[in-house]
Amino acid sequence: DGGITQSPKYLFRKEGQNVTLSCEQNLNHDAMYWYRQDPGQGLRLIYYSQIVNDFQKGDIAEGYSVSREKKESFPLTVTSAQKNPTAFYLCASSMRRGANEKLFFGSGTQLSVL
Amino acid sequence: GENVEQHPSTLSVQEGDSAVIKCTYSDSASNYFPWYKQELGKRPQLIIDIRSNVGEKKDQRIAVTLNKTAKHFSLHITETQPEDSAVYFCAASINYNQGGKLIFGQGTELSVKP
Repeated sequence: DGGITQSPKYLFRKEGQNVTLSCEQNLNHDAMYWYRQDPGQGLRLIYYSQIVNDFQKGDIAEGYSVSREKKESFPLTVTSAQKNPTAFYLCASSMRRGANEKLFFGSGTQLSVL
Repeated sequence: GENVEQHPSTLSVQEGDSAVIKCTYSDSASNYFPWYKQELGKRPQLIIDIRSNVGEKKDQRIAVTLNKTAKHFSLHITETQPEDSAVYFCAASINYNQGGKLIFGQGTELSVKP
């Protein structure tokens, strides 16, 4: 299960705290994505990046921030402005920019609020 | 923007029976339709995909059909086996020159009973 690594596997957030989820890939993929998974709601796109130093908001970007300073890394910060952060977060990558590409997913991070 | 609806949310079949999962999409410009399988506790993985210039695609026991006029596509699994039990996600995307994004359906939990 190499290729795309997420850490930590479990994360707890206190009220008012920002937390950062790590996503690293060694596949030399151009594009990276963050999805949020809630029961019964499928996978909802938070942010995506087609190339280094560029990223776009997805459908539920409010309360989240990202950076793409290196090709292999796409960390997600869940800020205190995200009022309902408890969810399973999945990072993914694809070889080329564009949405018509196979996604490779990480193993996910479960974020819970204390 | 694109919206993808997936039905049913849960599906239970007997081993050896067929299973059908249906999805509809809203944006007629969508041109790529993948299906992902997520086994319990594991990451989603691509099982089959279809592009808008094709009406049907088969891979052993699984097949996908696309009706562009009606804007719906379906996953067909024949001779189901217990290891087919998982959550299945459909998705639709539009590919732009500068990228694009993949929008997922809500997921279908398939249970295959021995």
